[in-house]
Amino acid sequence: QKEVEQNSGPLSVPEGAIASLNCTYSDRGSQSFFWYRQYSGKSPELIMFIYSNGDKEDGRFTAQLNKASQYVSLLIRDSQPSDSATYLCAVNMGNNFNKFYFGSGTKLNVKP
Amino acid sequence: EAGVTQFPSHSVIEKGQTVTLRCDPISGHDNLYWYRRVMGKEIKFLLHFVKESKQDESGMPNNRFLAERTGGTYSTLKVQPAELEDSGVYFCASSQDPIWDEQFFGPGTRLTVL
Repeated sequence: QKEVEQNSGPLSVPEGAIASLNCTYSDRGSQSFFWYRQYSGKSPELIMFIYSNGDKEDGRFTAQLNKASQYVSLLIRDSQPSDSATYLCAVNMGNNFNKFYFGSGTKLNVKP
Repeated sequence: EAGVTQFPSHSVIEKGQTVTLRCDPISGHDNLYWYRRVMGKEIKFLLHFVKESKQDESGMPNNRFLAERTGGTYSTLKVQPAELEDSGVYFCASSQDPIWDEQFFGPGTRLTVL
């Protein structure tokens, strides 16, 4: 079992729809969770982070965390073609929780 | 504020040669990380510096890889001798707090070993 798992996609949604991206992780003790967006050939850039159970909203983005189920998700409302990218889930793990474990990423296509 | 920078952006070398990658973190960030993404795989942790000290090097593949951060500023990652399986994109990242803060990623160095 991988430490962080994501569906590779591609996930295709029409413009204006809600895109739902999911991630599960293996270490029950993990405390911090990050969603990064990566355009092809570019470096990952942070979208959102979440530390506590529940929902966290930032503009069109909502991160959801359920530590009991070891599950974190990212919702993108009113999806735009510019949201088309690979979304990476990163979870802080390790003995000192000092390093990120990444999922393989979910490729999102938003169709105009 | 300047972001994380990496040099070179691309490197093509032959098997057996040596390559040195450089990373300049965001000024003031004590924590510096190296990651690698091999084609088709997820980004994987290589090691973590706190200032000039190696906090965790559990992800380093083998002793052909040597990372340094003299003076606690920029870092280098040397691969000697390079093998075919070392090809991939090497990312550097930096952060202020290792647990709670985001890691800011550099643009990466694409290494191709022929």
